[in-house]
Amino acid sequence: EVQLVESGGGLVQPGGSLRLSCVASGFTLSRYWMHWVRQAPGKGLVWVSRIYSDGSGTTYADSVKGRFTISRDNAKNTLYLQMNSLRAEDTAVYYCARDVGYTFESWGQGTLVTVSS
Amino acid sequence: QSALTQPRSVSESPGQSVTISCTGTSSDVGGYNYVSWYQHHVGKAPKLMIYDVFKRPSGVPDRFSGSKSGNTASLTISGLQAEDEADYYCCSYAGSYTWVFGGGTKLTVL
Repeated sequence: EVQLVESGGGLVQPGGSLRLSCVASGFTLSRYWMHWVRQAPGKGLVWVSRIYSDGSGTTYADSVKGRFTISRDNAKNTLYLQMNSLRAEDTAVYYCARDVGYTFESWGQGTLVTVSS
Repeated sequence: QSALTQPRSVSESPGQSVTISCTGTSSDVGGYNYVSWYQHHVGKAPKLMIYDVFKRPSGVPDRFSGSKSGNTASLTISGLQAEDEADYYCCSYAGSYTWVFGGGTKLTVL
């Protein structure tokens, strides 16, 4: 069974940093592109970032470009999202998702990030 | 990277059908057949319901169907059931390895 479990969320002050993790099980992580998607309170889903299966290619939404970095350690079956220079508008539940054919085929339960002083 | 346009809410009675639209541009919905739909119950992981415009993953009832015409995609749910009540999001590949979601539609089964 495919499982994705996010962690690392919490309360952080504006301008601070946080690193999210997503541990994958039930499949071989190295064979798949992976994404981060977020949902601010009361708002819709927003795509954040994507990483190629071996980590060689990454893309970002304009709203996080230059501040967030997606990475992966396939040996540890783990996807990461390093978030720097956090802003109040980054407050959201962050989901990791497995890509199959440009589709978000499996999702984790999410981890909440709150940016507030 | 503007969000795709969906109605904020739709409602219908059990057993009836409802269609949710998703309007984008020629740079996303109209340009690629990578439109997908997700069901999201609050506090749970989103669930893939339709991919590649009209394909259904294994386990998704055939009451759910998808289509596309020009820059607008649609999700139709027939034979509505109480458990279908949820938020629904469309998503499209937008080129250059970026994706865009719709704003979401709250489905109420009356």
